[in-house]
Amino acid sequence: KNEVEQSPQNLTAQEGEFITINCSYSVGISALHWLQQHPGGGIVSLFMLSSGKKKHGRLIATINIQEKHSSLHITASHPRDSAVYICAVEVTSGSRLTFGEGTQLTVNP
Amino acid sequence: NAGVTQTPKFQVLKTGQSMTLQCAQDMNHEYMSWYRQDPGMGLRLIHYSVGAGITDQGEVPNGYNVSRSTTEDFPLRLLSAAPSQTSVYFCASSYSPPGHHNEKLFFGSGTQLSVL
Repeated sequence: KNEVEQSPQNLTAQEGEFITINCSYSVGISALHWLQQHPGGGIVSLFMLSSGKKKHGRLIATINIQEKHSSLHITASHPRDSAVYICAVEVTSGSRLTFGEGTQLTVNP
Repeated sequence: NAGVTQTPKFQVLKTGQSMTLQCAQDMNHEYMSWYRQDPGMGLRLIHYSVGAGITDQGEVPNGYNVSRSTTEDFPLRLLSAAPSQTSVYFCASSYSPPGHHNEKLFFGSGTQLSVL
């Protein structure tokens, strides 16, 4: 079983819809990162979470440490949000990063 | 502030050829790392460095070498390319090693490598 599981693997939405991407992990962590990867592009950090909730524009990220679960929400989705969203955790044991497989999001106009 | 600069963006090799992927950061980060990204899998760690002169193996190190002669540069060398090394490669850096609550992770733009 992977240490980091994301769902769904693929998500197609219509412009304007509210989107949720989930990340569950099974190891002890010091931080969780949400990353964005556009087609053919590099990887960009969106959020780092160690507790609670963060908001940046139309993006909201939450984490529940007790349940070992995080969610990334996109409000009023737009075609430019189409990308792969990756959850990564900083594992406290072994000082390593473990990545989810990513969620491919497509937002249609 | 350029962040993490990674070159080349695309490369095609024949089996047995060698090459070096370049990675440089200008943020004075101590921790640098190389990952490969394959379909249906999360990024996997190839090698990492916690500072100049210090490198160590990650999850999938076979067939790759690294060195860290300066804080800024962390090149990845493919010694004798094999088709199994066809992948997208990312260089990354952060202020501290993972597990130390990094505020942000920084990645290069990626290298798409095909080995024929």
